Amino acid sequence: DQQVKQNSPSLSVQEGRISILNCDYTNSMFDYFLWYKKYPAEGPTFLISISSIKDKNEDGRFTVFLNKSAKHLSLHIVPSQPGDSAVYFCAASAGDYKLSFGAGTTVTVRA
Amino acid sequence: KAGVTQTPRYLIKTRGQQVTLSCSPISGHRSVSWYQQTPGQGLQFLFEYFSETQRNKGNFPGRFSGRQFSNSRSEMNVSTLELGDSALYLCASSLVISGANVLTFGAGSRLTVL
Repeated sequence: DQQVKQNSPSLSVQEGRISILNCDYTNSMFDYFLWYKKYPAEGPTFLISISSIKDKNEDGRFTVFLNKSAKHLSLHIVPSQPGDSAVYFCAASAGDYKLSFGAGTTVTVRA
Repeated sequence: KAGVTQTPRYLIKTRGQQVTLSCSPISGHRSVSWYQQTPGQGLQFLFEYFSETQRNKGNFPGRFSGRQFSNSRSEMNVSTLELGDSALYLCASSLVISGANVLTFGAGSRLTVL
């Protein structure tokens, strides 16, 4: 049972524009949410996280928004750069040291 | 600081064989987790070890097992391999940042079962 869903398998965006990645979850016990980025032949790397007590967290070009009532979070990348082309995974934790991951969204930034 | 090291990076096995994968966590990290990544499925949690004890286990059959040694290094074993076990197996060691359990992943071991 997939508790974290990324319904868009791919996203294509022009360099300099905003990339918006979406993620939905079903488990109301999740209290931390994380985004990871993965390049081919490498392991996922941590990007940004947000606690369920917040609705926004920003780190440079990356901002994560959390809407608890809708059980929805999104990652905004502004401006998008060619190096941002990768697979992005949304993940959630219920405080038990286990992360539940979405299936990933492949982002392609066009020059 | 060295990252998470996984060996071997690539391996090919045949159905019915068994395989052992190794993971060395970041120095000082005592929690090690294993995940299976297959196309379209994202990362599926296998198990998590802390101080040589399994604290969490995912929904995988008993053919999947693991262990952690006193130096925090971990191994996972898959017995009686099936074609569907072909996947990227990722190990991660854990550091808590501001309340979030942030996993640092290795590059993975890509297993192909023929």
